[in-house]
Amino acid sequence: QLQLQESGPGLVKPSETLSLTCTVSGDSISSSSYYWGWIRQPPGKGLEWIGTVYYSGSTYYNPSLKSRVTISEDKSKNQFSLKLTSVTAADTAVYYCASVSWDVGGNYYIDYWGQGTLVTVSS
Amino acid sequence: DIQMTQSPSSLSASVGDRVTITCRASQSIRSHLNWYQQKPGKAPKLLIYAASSLQSGVPSRFSGSGSGTDFTLTISSLQPEDFATYYCQQSYSSPLTFGGGTKVEIK
Repeated sequence: QLQLQESGPGLVKPSETLSLTCTVSGDSISSSSYYWGWIRQPPGKGLEWIGTVYYSGSTYYNPSLKSRVTISEDKSKNQFSLKLTSVTAADTAVYYCASVSWDVGGNYYIDYWGQGTLVTVSS
Repeated sequence: DIQMTQSPSSLSASVGDRVTITCRASQSIRSHLNWYQQKPGKAPKLLIYAASSLQSGVPSRFSGSGSGTDFTLTISSLQPEDFATYYCQQSYSSPLTFGGGTKVEIK
C-alpha cells in the first residue's frame, strides 16, 4: 500500500517560492502504474488540482497556475516536489501530494493521499 | 474548464437515513466521475470511481450512479462515521476539477 508524506516550510513570505516535497513509500515513483500529483485546499474551501508528473517526466499543470508551477521527480530519493513561485496570500492552503491511477475507461482518480501540510503565505 | 456543481451544499440527516448528493457537470463527462469523502483535518478518501465502481474497502452502503452530466452519490443508511464533506471530481478533460462539496451534518 502506498504511503505519501509531504514536507516543507509552513510559512512562506509573499513574492517568494513555495517548495514542498512528497516522499513515497510502498512503491517506486518510477512505476508506470501511477501519476504523482499535488492538490491544494484553502482553509474552509474546496479542492483545487495543481498538477501531476508521470514517471516518464511528462507534466500536466492546471492552466490557472501553469506559469508559476513546476512539479519534478527525484527518483534516487523516491520523491517528487512542487515549486510555486511568486506566492500571495491566495496561495495559503493545505497542500496534498497524491497518487493518481486510471481505469480501463480512461478515468483518472486520486487513490492515495498524503496527510496534507498547511502552508501560510504571510510576511 | 469543466465546472462541477454539487447540490445541496449542506444537509442535515439522522443515522439510518438514506442520503443522496447530486453532482452536475457543465458538459458531458461520460462516466469520468469520482467521489471522495473528507473528514475535518483529514485528507479526502476515494469512495467511488468511474461513476459507479466502489473503491476497495469502502462499505457497500455507498453507491454511485449517472453518466453524461448528472451523477448521484447515495448512502443507503447513514452511519455516525459518515458525517463528513463529500466531493465529486471529473477527469474527462484537463484540468481535473472538483465540485464545491456537500457537508453532511447530524440532525
